[in-house]
Amino acid sequence: DQQVKQNSPSLSVQEGRISILNCDYTNSMFDYFLWYKKYPAEGPTFLISISSIKDKNEDGRFTVFLNKSAKHLSLHIVPSQPGDSAVYFCAASAEAGANSKLTFGKGITLSVRP
Amino acid sequence: DTAVSQTPKYLVTQMGNDKSIKCEQNLGHDTMYWYKQDSKKFLKIMFSYNNKELIINETVPNRFSPKSPDKAHLNLHINSLELGDSAVYFCASSRWDTLYEQYFGPGTRLTVT
Repeated sequence: DQQVKQNSPSLSVQEGRISILNCDYTNSMFDYFLWYKKYPAEGPTFLISISSIKDKNEDGRFTVFLNKSAKHLSLHIVPSQPGDSAVYFCAASAEAGANSKLTFGKGITLSVRP
Repeated sequence: DTAVSQTPKYLVTQMGNDKSIKCEQNLGHDTMYWYKQDSKKFLKIMFSYNNKELIINETVPNRFSPKSPDKAHLNLHINSLELGDSAVYFCASSRWDTLYEQYFGPGTRLTVT
């Protein structure tokens, strides 16, 4: 039962262009969403997050958009750089406090071509 | 000066053996986690500890036993290893007030033959 879905396994974009990574979720109780980035042979690193009370959060070249009615979020990277090539995991959480836990999607492999 | 470290990085062992994976964080965090990334690439939480106390225990076989000797360490011991235990295991840590922003170790690739 995949509660967080990243249906596209991979994405290839040209350097300088926009990368759009999509994520869908099924659990309407999710109220906090995150993106993690992972390079080979390393652990995931936190990239950006968004609370369900917002529909957009921006941090430099990275912007996350949340559409609660569609249960959909997306990560925009502008402009894309070769160093952005990595696996991007979408994650969500439904509870605050002690029982808080993250539910991850299976990731999207982004390749940025020079 | 690694923030979250795991040892070993690779572990190859036979079915039925008992093995341990160690995790240490030097970030001063009070919450630590173990995740399993299986062949389908999903990262799934197994356990979380806060100040050495077990907080989250997902549906994990009893063969898996975490141990937290102090806030900076969370080790994972696995008894009677099975083929299905083959996966990459990630340790992570966070502050209690920013539980969502977790810092991950590099992972331990466990292969059971």
